[in-house]
Amino acid sequence: DAGITQSPRHKVTETGTPVTLRCHQTENHRYMYWYRQDPGHGLRLIHYSYGVKDTDKGEVSDGYSVSRSKTEDFLLTLESATSSQTSVYFCAIKGSLHPNTGELFFGEGSRLTVL
Amino acid sequence: AQKITQTQPGMFVQEKEAVTLDCTYDTSDQSYGLFWYKQPSSGEMIFLIYQGSYDEQNATEGRYSLNFQKARKSANLVISASQLGDSAMYFCAMRGANAGGTSYGKLTFGQGTILTVHP
Repeated sequence: DAGITQSPRHKVTETGTPVTLRCHQTENHRYMYWYRQDPGHGLRLIHYSYGVKDTDKGEVSDGYSVSRSKTEDFLLTLESATSSQTSVYFCAIKGSLHPNTGELFFGEGSRLTVL
Repeated sequence: AQKITQTQPGMFVQEKEAVTLDCTYDTSDQSYGLFWYKQPSSGEMIFLIYQGSYDEQNATEGRYSLNFQKARKSANLVISASQLGDSAMYFCAMRGANAGGTSYGKLTFGQGTILTVHP
């Protein structure tokens, strides 16, 4: 158990509304990630963080912003949600169980539907 | 940039038989890592196995083995003695290195293969 909690787990919202997804971890991991999963695309990286206030864009960052004001929380914000952002969102942390491997551990996912 | 290709959208296997899930990758990095994850219908992502690009031996973890062929840029997952609980989506993923030699641990994923195990 990597101690990752995502909230909310399910959300339905309307086009144009702001949405924030929260990822909380309890084990002081430095690296955190937000991915989205869509059929036919696998998981695609949205943004990632390599420390407090240190973030960078991933492959599909348009329409998303992130913030990390403390180690344990990584927030993903959709400023104005669109139907194309309907997806399952996964938060992940880089594990320290096997330092040479560096596998990612994922949260349970947040299903977002934008009507 | 890295790219992962999984060409099998779906695979079927009989219980207790072995199955190979294909994965090819493209990268110009000298050092990289290859991963396989399992996603059951419940949705969680489960790490299965890892292979480093400099590892000479193929990785094994229980019934999972990674058939790493560096020259062919392939990293196929072999599941031996399939069980009904192996029915799931399987993702191949890769971690490379940026120009500065770091990757920040980011993984690039393939599209996934749905495996169905028949009794």
